[in-house]
Amino acid sequence: RKEVEQDPGPFNVPEGATVAFNCTYSNSASQSFFWYRQDCRKEPKLLMSVYSSGNEDGRFTAQLNRASQYISLLIRDSKLSDSATYLCVVTLYNQGGKLIFGQGTELSVKP
Amino acid sequence: GAGVSQSPRYKVAKRGQDVALRCDPISGHVSLFWYQQALGQGPEFLTYFQNEAQLDKSGLPSDRFFAERPEGSVSTLKIQRTQQEDSAVYLCASSTGGAFGNSPLHFGNGTRLTVT
Repeated sequence: RKEVEQDPGPFNVPEGATVAFNCTYSNSASQSFFWYRQDCRKEPKLLMSVYSSGNEDGRFTAQLNRASQYISLLIRDSKLSDSATYLCVVTLYNQGGKLIFGQGTELSVKP
Repeated sequence: GAGVSQSPRYKVAKRGQDVALRCDPISGHVSLFWYQQALGQGPEFLTYFQNEAQLDKSGLPSDRFFAERPEGSVSTLKIQRTQQEDSAVYLCASSTGGAFGNSPLHFGNGTRLTVT
């Protein structure tokens, strides 16, 4: 079993739709949680950190459930520019900030 | 300021050749990571440096892979006797450091290695 697992993609949605991505992690010692975004043939870039209380950044909302070892990302009012692969990422306690990535979920927003 | 710089951008190698991939991290960044990303997959951890010390090399797939960061800045990932399964994008990332993963990673554009 992979340490970080994500919904299989691709997700094809119309502009304006709300879309949710789910992610589970297997190691209960996981310390920090992030969502990264990766555009085609580009490097991953940090989208947002995920905090235990949940957090929001504009149209993006991230949730963490430590008991279920589950992370989610909600995108409201999706834009064409949101089309990308979304990577769920965790770090383990005291491992120097090593990021463990999920395989990614591809999102395609259509006009 | 300048971001993480990797070179070459693309590398084609014949099976059995040795290759060297270079990473220039952001100036002053203590931590440096190498990742391997196969098509359609997320990045897979290879190795991690804190300054010049290689603290974790658990992700290196075989002894054909070797990484160094002798002066705590530029790093080189070397792959000896390349095989077709080594074909991937090799990503370098740096951060200001810290053991608890709260410093965001800044990735370079990657080196796309194709082994023929």
